[in-house]
Amino acid sequence: EAGVVQSPRYKIIEKKQPVAFWCNPISGHNTLYWYLQNLGQGPELLIRYENEEAVDDSQLPKDRFSAERLKGVDSTLKIQPAELGDSAVYLCASSPLAGPTDTQYFGPGTRLTVL
Amino acid sequence: GDSVTQMEGPVTLSEEAFLTINCTYTATGYPSLFWYVQYPGEGLQLLLKATKADDKGSNKGFEATYRKETTSFHLEKGSVQVSDSAVYFCAQIQGAQKLVFGQGTRLTINP
Repeated sequence: EAGVVQSPRYKIIEKKQPVAFWCNPISGHNTLYWYLQNLGQGPELLIRYENEEAVDDSQLPKDRFSAERLKGVDSTLKIQPAELGDSAVYLCASSPLAGPTDTQYFGPGTRLTVL
Repeated sequence: GDSVTQMEGPVTLSEEAFLTINCTYTATGYPSLFWYVQYPGEGLQLLLKATKADDKGSNKGFEATYRKETTSFHLEKGSVQVSDSAVYFCAQIQGAQKLVFGQGTRLTINP
């Protein structure tokens, strides 16, 4: 079974530029998550989708971040414009459902460096 | 709010040593608890989990027991190997379906 796929794996941009990350979850997984992982820290949730609906985006900085999950499968996370403080690893995860006992499966992440 | 606190790293051990990584949580209810591991260059992988008090999760020689009375979920392994070198994250989840992670503990095993 294929795991969660993310691209690109690495991205270097200059501040004020836009950037987008793509995630393909495990087939059949209805719930998709985007997490932000700063260096030396644990991941923090940005947004959670159930199918195509964003059911928890309370931690997403909406002035510059946006996300979409068209057709309830792939998802894209965008930053526009990027700031120096956005340098981090962006993780995508998926799970079959969204219950508290359901395992979340993580992709390898996209490491963003903003210069 | 809900939180997870792990023992600070980095932790360096010799091969075949006994490992304990402490984890405590604060929560309003009774969360499910997880240990995730991140090997160099790879994504987070679930190592083990426990969903109710007194449950013991185990995998690859690692164990952790859900202790409600001490709000703890310490990770243990009797004999570590070089291949266990990684960053270990303790996490909890309950009704909000949001995983709350500790800050991670970097483990290095020397041959």
